[in-house]
Amino acid sequence: DAGVIQSPRHEVTEMGQEVTLRCKPISGHNSLFWYRQTMMRGLELLIYFNNNVPIDDSGMPEDRFSAKMPNASFSTLKIQPSEPRDSAVYFCASSIRRDRNNYGYTFGSGTRLTVV
Amino acid sequence: SQQGEEDPQALSIQEGENATMNCSYKTSINNLQWYRQNSGRGLVHLILIRSNEREKHSGRLRVTLDTSKKSSSLLITASRAADTASYFCAPLIQGAQKLVFGQGTRLTINP
Repeated sequence: DAGVIQSPRHEVTEMGQEVTLRCKPISGHNSLFWYRQTMMRGLELLIYFNNNVPIDDSGMPEDRFSAKMPNASFSTLKIQPSEPRDSAVYFCASSIRRDRNNYGYTFGSGTRLTVV
Repeated sequence: SQQGEEDPQALSIQEGENATMNCSYKTSINNLQWYRQNSGRGLVHLILIRSNEREKHSGRLRVTLDTSKKSSSLLITASRAADTASYFCAPLIQGAQKLVFGQGTRLTINP
């Protein structure tokens, strides 16, 4: 298994541009999570999906952020328009949800976003 | 708060020594998980301990859980330079569906 695959690994964009981050979870995992990590705020959970359905998006900072999961093997996190304060490492993670419990998460390698 | 609080924030020891990190949380849990993050990388799941378990081992790792004190500890025995990383605990709160991470413990193993 190739693990959780995120793309791109690095993204540098200008303020105001649209940014799309992509994630392919592990096959068979039915929960998917988007986190953001900065030095100041640590790891923040932005949104998560169970069986492709968004369950909790309370961590999404603003309307500029949106996430979709059109099928079990693909998810996107979009920022439009991007701002310098969005600069961070964005992680996608997937896990198996069984018997109302989520078991160990597998994280991707992250996308390092720099907005200039 | 659903997150665990790790203690200490930073720990520096000599190679070969044991490293102990602690975690406290506030409410009842289903399980508690420990993760490692090397600089610039994603988190790696190390071990999961269920609420009805008191101790668990995996290689050089030993995790304990005391639900009466709402605390857990991670012991790394015979530390190696490759163990240098940040370590996070993540309690899965009963009724919750997500893991919330604290600031972690930054562990440095000096050669």
